[in-house]
Amino acid sequence: GAGVSQSPSNKVTEKGKDVELRCDPISGHTALYWYRQSLGQGLEFLIYFQGNSAPDKSGLPSDRFSAERTGGSVSTLTIQRTQQEDSAVYLCASRPRTGGNSPLHFGNGTRLTVT
Amino acid sequence: AQRVTQPEKLLSVFKGAPVELKCNYSYSGSPELFWYVQYSRQRLQLLLRHISRESIKGFTADLNKGETSFHLKKPFAQEEDSAMYYCALSATNTGNQFYFGTGTSLTVIP
Repeated sequence: GAGVSQSPSNKVTEKGKDVELRCDPISGHTALYWYRQSLGQGLEFLIYFQGNSAPDKSGLPSDRFSAERTGGSVSTLTIQRTQQEDSAVYLCASRPRTGGNSPLHFGNGTRLTVT
Repeated sequence: AQRVTQPEKLLSVFKGAPVELKCNYSYSGSPELFWYVQYSRQRLQLLLRHISRESIKGFTADLNKGETSFHLKKPFAQEEDSAMYYCALSATNTGNQFYFGTGTSLTVIP
């Protein structure tokens, strides 16, 4: 595809429900990152995938958050038993390779609202 | 620890005035630094990277290892520069993590 694609663009859910957010990275990009963007909080790192290596989950805020990357391409971020504080824009980014000077390419994000 | 600090959350300048968005970093290795910009209702996009030593949309940023800074500068601000700016560091020696500052919201006053 032309860029990183995220779906849905907007999601409204009730507190306590589970949600799944999808990211389709740029073809051939081996590294995939999830961030959370909240007002006044900047970009909070959540999780990072690199090829077939074990993901870096050090940024996940609680065990309600998990992510998978199937076949080294599409990734799904799952939030279980959503809480109001989970409301934010969830951004996915990919890069062609790790290290060096390769920049991140971002999707448009999924705006999650928990009511 | 690897950290990126942007001390100003909000910055307002008049059109035609110089602008400087500050970024300081803390990193034990050789840093790879970037500036990203997010215009209203658009995705976050790369503005420039220190290795390229380029000027994009009139912006430049110089890496100062002595001061551990990577400030973004433009001599004459334009209204279309109003946006959110993020400084970022690629940590090549510790798992290829990508760290972002908290961002600076720039408003250029006509």
